[in-house]
Amino acid sequence: GENVEQHPSTLSVQEGDSAVIKCTYSDSASNYFPWYKQELGKRPQLIIDIRSNVGEKKDQRIAVTLNKTAKHFSLHITETQPEDSAVYFCAASEGYDMRFGAGTRLTVKP
Amino acid sequence: EAGVVQSPRYKIIEKKQPVAFWCNPISGHNTLYWYLQNLGQGPELLIRYENEEAVDDSQLPKDRFSAERLKGVDSTLKIQPAELGDSAVYLCASSLGQGSTGELFFGEGSRLTVL
Repeated sequence: GENVEQHPSTLSVQEGDSAVIKCTYSDSASNYFPWYKQELGKRPQLIIDIRSNVGEKKDQRIAVTLNKTAKHFSLHITETQPEDSAVYFCAASEGYDMRFGAGTRLTVKP
Repeated sequence: EAGVVQSPRYKIIEKKQPVAFWCNPISGHNTLYWYLQNLGQGPELLIRYENEEAVDDSQLPKDRFSAERLKGVDSTLKIQPAELGDSAVYLCASSLGQGSTGELFFGEGSRLTVL
């Protein structure tokens, strides 16, 4: 089955700086790569996703890049704000079998 | 429209006791997932349903865990008997299934503490 690894496990940045979180996956058949944000005590919520036929996708301050050859994808957050502080999970799926990374705890210091 | 609803939100039991969690997915969502989330970890799939059929239960510890999704809507996840290591958050999620974008919609989770 699919195995997703995520790095780093914790990330601390100053407000206004950029944050980058990286994930690798093992199953070359995976074709859908979402990113979820989970605030403390709340449900994970989708913030951005990308499919295998696209190399990059951007939505305001967040962007995701995908390298199918290397089987890795990354989340980029620019101009970070304190409200970006949360745990971020990457995931990979082929069909509806979705597997998650272990998460990155992002702290944005004012 | 209501999102994925789970209950109870919190449950504290003693080891060897049974416990059950309930999930009501978003209306019309054919695919339902139960995930286990340990503290500081990502969700781990326990079981996935397509309508009423369990299509992937390979990660479900079947000696003590069971699940059902009668009529392809609500689902229950049961643990009997519970062990100390079962303390975790149990997340339910749903998606449209065939023809959807693939996005999972999560419930708030059921936090289990086994004493």
